[in-house]
Amino acid sequence: IQMTQSPSSLSASVGDRVTITCRASQTISTNLNWYQQKPGKAPKVLIYAASMLQSGVPSRFRGSGSGTDFTLTITNLQPEDFATYFCHQTYRTPYIFGQGTKLEI
Amino acid sequence: EVQLVETGGDLVQPGGSLRLSCEASGFSFSNYWMHWVRQAPGKELVWVARIQSDESSIEYADSVRGRFIISRDNAKKTLHLQMNSLRDEDTAVYYCARGFSGVGANWFDPWGQGTQVTVSS
Repeated sequence: IQMTQSPSSLSASVGDRVTITCRASQTISTNLNWYQQKPGKAPKVLIYAASMLQSGVPSRFRGSGSGTDFTLTITNLQPEDFATYFCHQTYRTPYIFGQGTKLEI
Repeated sequence: EVQLVETGGDLVQPGGSLRLSCEASGFSFSNYWMHWVRQAPGKELVWVARIQSDESSIEYADSVRGRFIISRDNAKKTLHLQMNSLRDEDTAVYYCARGFSGVGANWFDPWGQGTQVTVSS
């Protein structure tokens, strides 16, 4: 299963809404997770099972989709949201990650 | 606090071996799948291997199968990755991560802070 994530980079301003997309090469149901990674840090899960918000993650992060097409939407961007975001399929091994989207504020 | 701490990363020559460890705390280690994931500088995350809670199921990425061995010691709450026949392209930060499951899906949470493996002559 291949994962195609876009865009690879994105510039936005505080308060904006941004959308990142991820497409799977075959259906993965809702076995799609989104992670945030800051420079020099480990990834942190934001969204699991396509649309479930991880405990402690602000509600401005929202995931949607099923099958092959998924989106991560961040509303009301905050300065701390500057990071790289990865999608990740866990439908079948090997568990492929997307190429990442670098979000610049 | 749920925590994973990796150790063992180093500079090693091509063809050499290295053993990474990941010590878990704050949760029942023996109840969870565990994974290794790596990330080369400026690159995407790459899943490396996984091991079931009782070691009954083990899987590897094609790129490391036959060279790497994942194992665990539930009594010591420790995950290992034995890396043999290392290549330049194995250079990366290696993370261990807990496999979490529910609502018909699974995800990785938490992750360790990572340990750097550099393969170079």
